[in-house]
Amino acid sequence: DAMVIQNPRYQVTQFGKPVTLSCSQTLNHNVMYWYQQKSSQAPKLLFHYYDKDFNNEADTPDNFQSRRPNTSFCFLDIRSPGLGDAAMYLCATSRVAGRTNKNIQYFGAGTRLSVL
Amino acid sequence: AQTVTQSQPEMSVQEAETVTLSCTYDTSESDYYLFWYKQPPSRQMILVIRQEAYKQQNATENRFSVNFQKAAKSFSLKISDSQLGDAAMYFCAYRSGGGADGLTFGKGTHLIIQP
Repeated sequence: DAMVIQNPRYQVTQFGKPVTLSCSQTLNHNVMYWYQQKSSQAPKLLFHYYDKDFNNEADTPDNFQSRRPNTSFCFLDIRSPGLGDAAMYLCATSRVAGRTNKNIQYFGAGTRLSVL
Repeated sequence: AQTVTQSQPEMSVQEAETVTLSCTYDTSESDYYLFWYKQPPSRQMILVIRQEAYKQQNATENRFSVNFQKAAKSFSLKISDSQLGDAAMYFCAYRSGGGADGLTFGKGTHLIIQP
């Protein structure tokens, strides 16, 4: 009964070869987030979708893009992966209503990306 | 920008004992939330406990409690009666009060439970 599902759990790609990571949710949450977690570092927010509105963090590289075709799915596209993009990528969801957001984020198990 | 600092990369505790994980944060906002998340090996991050900044009372969830010192910008997690299943990475996180902002995490503390 997983609520936030990330596929695949492990992804290997070649330097410069585009790769797409997938996240789906059964919670009907209106916000979906992507975080990058490098080894021994804090997870770092890349961007999020609030409904259909895309919100990019200022320091997220242009190499990272995202798509959200519907409420349930969100994709992370890495156009030209470099060795420094090897990391765990975490998807999270939340329900936000109005200005006040008391709700927590639910995380998927992550996709570990290796770049060869 | 907000920052979250966890100064203990690793902590070890005997089973059934009590352990406290430290977290400090820096913000100029008055409306925010603080969280402790647990990340077991190869499993998803799950919420342990949440504290709303406007609440003076410290949050508790069964064996987990926090010591929230707003003026000192400190938010420590106390785990009582430690169990083997508590072994994990623990992340302290901050979120602004409004909107859909994401979380700002600390680097994490690796908690080891000694049987």
